[in-house]
Amino acid sequence: AQTVTQSQPEMSVQEAETVTLSCTYDTSESDYYLFWYKQPPSRQMILVIRQEAYKQQNATENRFSVNFQKAAKSFSLKISDSQLGDAAMYFCAYRSLNNNDMRFGAGTRLTVKP
Amino acid sequence: EAEVAQSPRYKITEKSQAVAFWCDPISGHATLYWYRQILGQGPELLVQFQDESVVDDSQLPKDRFSAERLKGVDSTLKIQPAELGDSAMYLCASSLLRDRGRGEQFFGPGTRLTVL
Repeated sequence: AQTVTQSQPEMSVQEAETVTLSCTYDTSESDYYLFWYKQPPSRQMILVIRQEAYKQQNATENRFSVNFQKAAKSFSLKISDSQLGDAAMYFCAYRSLNNNDMRFGAGTRLTVKP
Repeated sequence: EAEVAQSPRYKITEKSQAVAFWCDPISGHATLYWYRQILGQGPELLVQFQDESVVDDSQLPKDRFSAERLKGVDSTLKIQPAELGDSAMYLCASSLLRDRGRGEQFFGPGTRLTVL
């Protein structure tokens, strides 16, 4: 079964600075999807960014980008120009193409300091 | 903007009581998921519906949990009887596509259950 590991329970960043959240996963599949979800306090989880494993190019969404290393099974999230509104729990997730089951990591709590 | 609706947002109950949670997915979304999120952990899938049919309930504790989606639209998750270990956030999500990996899952705000 696929597992997702987020080794940083908490991270903090100064406003306007850059922070990188780490994620590793374990799978025997060659094709799959990876996601970063954001869960603000008392609000619903929303998709931040998505990466298809067959694409070599790293996904980018405005201030959010990923570093996808397929061979290393690593999928880190970089947040540039951090804003106060970025403070939240961030979850890395893996999804197989064979089913719709989403496997989540334990999450990283990001604090943004003004 | 369309959202997944859940109610109640908070529920406090005593152990051995029955509780029920309701979810209304985004209109047109055929696939619906119930997740359980224990404090400090990521969500874990309990059950997945495709329209009104259960696709995956392998992680659902069937001795006490049940889920239904009778008309393939909204869904109810029930726990009877509730146990202390059931205290968690229960998240509902929906997606437009089932077997297409790009199908993003949209999450509701969740129901936070506390069992005393």
